[in-house]
Amino acid sequence: GENVEQHPSTLSVQEGDSAVIKCTYSDSASNYFPWYKQELGKRPQLIIDIRSNVGEKKDQRIAVTLNKTAKHFSLHITETQPEDSAVYFCAAKGRTGTASKLTFGTGTRLQVTL
Amino acid sequence: ETGVTQTPRHLVMGMTNKKSLKCEQHLGHNAMYWYKQSAKKPLELMFVYNFKEQTENNSVPSRFSPECPNSSHLFLHLHTLQPEDSALYLCASSQTGSNEKLFFGSGTQLSVL
Repeated sequence: GENVEQHPSTLSVQEGDSAVIKCTYSDSASNYFPWYKQELGKRPQLIIDIRSNVGEKKDQRIAVTLNKTAKHFSLHITETQPEDSAVYFCAAKGRTGTASKLTFGTGTRLQVTL
Repeated sequence: ETGVTQTPRHLVMGMTNKKSLKCEQHLGHNAMYWYKQSAKKPLELMFVYNFKEQTENNSVPSRFSPECPNSSHLFLHLHTLQPEDSALYLCASSQTGSNEKLFFGSGTQLSVL
């Protein structure tokens, strides 16, 4: 089955700096890669996703890049703000079945300090 | 947000108790999921229901019993749990096909004493 590794487990940046979180996956058939943000005590929420036919996607201050050859994808947050502090999860989905069988990474706790 | 609602938000139970977690989605989705979230572990997929049919059971112990009476409701029946089952249990839904985005509920924080 799919295996997703995520690094780092914790990340502290100063407000205004950029943050990068990296994930690798094992199943070359995986074709969908979402990122979820989970604030303390709240539900995970999708913030951005990318499909295997695209190498990069951007939405305001967040961007995701995908390298299919190397089987890794990354989340980039620019001009970080205190409200970006949360746990971020990457995930990967292979082409199996009709429902979204996502495999998640272990999460990165991002702390944005003033 | 009222897309996916879970009850109760918190649950404390003894190892001999029987309890049920409830999930309801108002998004018109046809797939529903149970995930377990433990500290320092990735989200673990437990069960998947697609059009009310269970399509995935990730080697979950039989003390967890899911039920999906229709595509909008999902239950997780709990019986004879162990302390290591204490975790946040998240329900999610999605629309199968081209839109694969998962929408999560707020979860039930379960403590087994």
